[in-house]
This record gives sequence, structure tokens and C-alpha cells, in this order.
Amino acid sequence: DGGITQSPKYLFRKEGQNVTLSCEQNLNHDAMYWYRQDPGQGLRLIYYSQIVNDFQKGDIAEGYSVSREKKESFPLTVTSAQKNPTAFYLCASSSGTVSYGYTFGSGTRLTVV
Amino acid sequence: GDSVTQMEGPVTLSEEAFLTINCTYTATGYPSLFWYVQYPGEGLQLLLKATKADDKGSNKGFEATYRKETTSFHLEKGSVQVSDSAVYFCALRRGGNQGGKLIFGQGTELSVKP
Repeated sequence: DGGITQSPKYLFRKEGQNVTLSCEQNLNHDAMYWYRQDPGQGLRLIYYSQIVNDFQKGDIAEGYSVSREKKESFPLTVTSAQKNPTAFYLCASSSGTVSYGYTFGSGTRLTVV
Repeated sequence: GDSVTQMEGPVTLSEEAFLTINCTYTATGYPSLFWYVQYPGEGLQLLLKATKADDKGSNKGFEATYRKETTSFHLEKGSVQVSDSAVYFCALRRGGNQGGKLIFGQGTELSVKP
């Protein structure tokens, strides 16, 4: 079955280290997105990509970086410049059809100690 | 710009109670409207959608009707269960809107007690 996979589900890192979160989809979707979710909060867009080798900053891109070298993959790196990286990170993908929503992965919970 | 406003939570109900979660939107043109559900520790799942005015989306006993005259897409369920406890997000998507991105409301937490 087609879907979107995020790994790992839980990730622990020491303060000051960079960490990369994986997101892979086999839905043949052109667009992919990264969101951050804090406890009791809504979704905040970090980065998005509408086509391979191209991506745009979302609302809270500072301290994060992404790449889109393959259609299936959109990894997110949380750098040491991110002031408060502990959060739940969600990846999503979509086709270009407006009447379709997004398909979400199951999320990665990052804890920085 | 486009926006979605949901009623604030948390909403606490007893099992078998009637549920309404209000959602209103601001957008030009004719967006598609969505409700997503997020169970604890999981990603978001599409619950239902409507793509044009007066359409009714439905799934798992939940319903929502696209009302253009009131720019609303309220979520309803006749009899909630403990298993419906989750966070519910209303969202819209419109072509040409910042690349067709989904615009989310802030989410409404629902807690159903036995």
C-alpha cells in the first residue's frame, strides 16, 4: 500500500548536535511538507517542496534545513541553531489537486537533552 | 489572506452526547474544506472533506456541510464514543493560494468520558 513513512518514531539528541529526520513517500506525490507541533498547539509549517530540487521556507524555518534530491524523500535537519528543538515533527505529502488533502506520516518525537 | 478559525477546546462530553465543533473560514473563490483527526501520539488522518458549496462530507458517523453563505464547515456527530477522543483540525485548500497549501485551524481537543 502507498503511504508516507517517518523514522524514527522517537529520537533523543544532546544539545548542540544536528539531527536529521527521515520522510519517505511512495504515493508519487510532487509536494512534501514539514510541520512542527508543540504540546497543545496547532501545526506550524517549517519547509515545503513542490518539486524535486526546489523548496521554500515556511513560517518557522530558522534553525532547520531540508533537501529534495528525490521525489520520494524530503529529510529535515534540525540544526544546533534551533533554540528549542524538542517537539513533535510531522511530514506530509500531496498531489497538486486542490480537492485532495495531505497524507501525513505518523510523526517523529524529538527530545533534546 | 486565507484563514480558518475553530472553536477553542478542550471540549468535554459524556459518551453518547451530540458533538458540534464549529469551523469558519476566510478565503476568496471556492476552496476545498477538510476535517482531520489526530489521535494521541499519531499523525493526522483525513476524516472527511467537501469540495463545493452545499456538499456534505461524512465518515465514521461524523458529518460536515460546506456552507458558503456562512463560510462555515461545522463538524457534527450524533453520538460520540470514548474512542472519538482526539484533536480535530479544520482546514481549507485553494488553488493559487501560496502554492495550494492547506491552511489549518488551531485544532480542537475533544475528550469523551464514559
